[in-house]
Amino acid sequence: QQPVQSPQAVILREGEDAVINCSSSKALYSVHWYRQKHGEAPVFLMILLKGGEQKGHEKISASFNEKKQQSSLYLTASQLSYSGTYFCGTEQYNQGGKLIFGQGTELSVKP
Amino acid sequence: DAGVIQSPRHEVTEMGQEVTLRCKPISGHNSLFWYRQTMMRGLELLIYFNNNVPIDDSGMPEDRFSAKMPNASFSTLKIQPSEPRDSAVYFCASCRPGQSNTGELFFGEGSRLTVL
Repeated sequence: QQPVQSPQAVILREGEDAVINCSSSKALYSVHWYRQKHGEAPVFLMILLKGGEQKGHEKISASFNEKKQQSSLYLTASQLSYSGTYFCGTEQYNQGGKLIFGQGTELSVKP
Repeated sequence: DAGVIQSPRHEVTEMGQEVTLRCKPISGHNSLFWYRQTMMRGLELLIYFNNNVPIDDSGMPEDRFSAKMPNASFSTLKIQPSEPRDSAVYFCASCRPGQSNTGELFFGEGSRLTVL
């Protein structure tokens, strides 16, 4: 049931781009993305609801392919502030709002 | 507006002791989630409530864990007896369901539990 994220970790130089993937073996109603900085609570980035939907948050955007049960998070022109662990959360149909998180992708942006 | 409030922030206890973690959700939010975070297991969903009613507690590890939500502004997670493997950060989160069944989750700062 837990979604699978890849890669587990990525190191970037400031200004570089990154993609984080999230996949599920179950049909998904929605995908959520959160970022957690060390020692802090996860913070909401965005929710994606429909197949092919894309959303953006600053220079962070995401897509959701409902048919493939996959979502990708795109970070462009990364900034130092983007460092942290990114979690995707998935919600299946008829689960009454149950949100399950992947294991996380640790992103480090270096100057 | 006040966010989700959890207490205690830190708890160190000895094996076998009872531990009670508390959460006050954001006013107006009718869904509340308890998650446990460890390096090995990541963010695990333990239980969640809608309108004070437990909907799914399949993530509760065993009978030593119990959770209640007596009213819309308070929830507890209790571990009795505690064991060293329960050491983790416990997060409470609340939301007001929106376009999806689950809306944006607002997390508390977490309760870091250490069981010696």
